[in-house]
Amino acid sequence: GAVVSQHPSWVICKSGTSVKIECRSLDFQATTMFWYRQFPKQSLMLMATSNEGSKATYEQGVEKDKFLINHASLTLSTLTVTSAHPEDSSFYICSAVGTGGFQPQHFGDGTRLSIL
Amino acid sequence: AQRVTQPEKLLSVFKGAPVELKCNYSYSGSPELFWYVQYSRQRLQLLLRHISRESIKGFTADLNKGETSFHLKKPFAQEEDSAMYYCASFYGQNFVFGPGTRLSVLP
Repeated sequence: GAVVSQHPSWVICKSGTSVKIECRSLDFQATTMFWYRQFPKQSLMLMATSNEGSKATYEQGVEKDKFLINHASLTLSTLTVTSAHPEDSSFYICSAVGTGGFQPQHFGDGTRLSIL
Repeated sequence: AQRVTQPEKLLSVFKGAPVELKCNYSYSGSPELFWYVQYSRQRLQLLLRHISRESIKGFTADLNKGETSFHLKKPFAQEEDSAMYYCASFYGQNFVFGPGTRLSVLP
């Protein structure tokens, strides 16, 4: 089946640093990738929709300059949390949708980001 | 705007009891409806899509266009069904997730 690899799975860093999270579709091409954020015991919140070769579409309330998304190829999207602060600590999940008509989302395992 | 609602944040049932997780969507047209499940410490998994009409792990869901609902049902809940369940829709180019319902199956 379709596999989405998300890396790293867990990252701890100091406040003020930038962190990059990768989302790769391993055995299919993904025209669209989604980035979600999940707070403990809460639902997923869609942060942005990333289409290959174009700018990401951010949801209302999500800072574009804070959460930089790049989708340079059909198998890779990256989310960079710039100048991270403790309130950015969360669980980030990506998903990918394959090409060729309608396809369901395939989710990565998520990245736990802890900002000290 | 497209919306998917799941009225129950938490649903607790006893093992062996029937369970129904409610989902409603709020737009016209013909969206694709899905149920995703997330077990503790695992990734989200696709459980059902309405076009396939499959029964996965004993769960079924029927799309009711008149009521704009896509409720998830299982006649006899098992403890291993305890998880977070998300209803989602795909319409146009947009996936929309519901807020999720946490199902707790008690022994």
